Amino acid sequence: GIQVEQSPPDLILQEGANSTLRCNFSDSVNNLQWFHQNPWGQLINLFYIPSGTKQNGRLSATTVATERYSLLYISSSQTTDSGVYFCAVERWDNYGQNFVFGPGTRLSVLP
Amino acid sequence: EAGVTQFPSHSVIEKGQTVTLRCDPISGHDNLYWYRRVMGKEIKFLLHFVKESKQDESGMPNNRFLAERTGGTYSTLKVQPAELEDSGVYFCASSQVAGGPLTQYFGPGTRLTVL
Repeated sequence: GIQVEQSPPDLILQEGANSTLRCNFSDSVNNLQWFHQNPWGQLINLFYIPSGTKQNGRLSATTVATERYSLLYISSSQTTDSGVYFCAVERWDNYGQNFVFGPGTRLSVLP
Repeated sequence: EAGVTQFPSHSVIEKGQTVTLRCDPISGHDNLYWYRRVMGKEIKFLLHFVKESKQDESGMPNNRFLAERTGGTYSTLKVQPAELEDSGVYFCASSQVAGGPLTQYFGPGTRLTVL
């Protein structure tokens, strides 16, 4: 099956700093999503980004599908950005479609 | 429009008891998925419904887990009897169609603690 790796596993930042989270995947995928699981355990959709670049406020994401990676950029980080960030790739097979999640990057933003 | 909702938000039960989790997908979404994150590990797929039919339940860990989606609307996930290793967060997601570019919309999750 598809393997999804994320780096770094843990990241500690001071408020206001910028960061880049990386997601590598082992095979071609139909789609890719970035999620933020906040400290309350809720999974929030950040970007649906099978290819190209998208921006939403202080967050942006770039997926280079041909090279099998995606990057999530967080600028001017805030304490509310803390939590685990998951990359998930979508696979389609005879049964339909589902996501394969990476192990996540745990981000801690310190005041 | 209401998003995906899950009930309860938290559940604390003792080993051996039964717990039923409920997911209400976005109205009109035929596809419904269950995922879980056991503490400290990655989120894993459990199963996929298309309307009331189970399309893929390859991720169900064992026969203590039973999922249903009667009428193709809401879904329930029953754990009976619950074991300590079942603790974690259970997420439900829904999407409009399968086989095309789309976004799965996730619910807030149910945090299950088995003591």
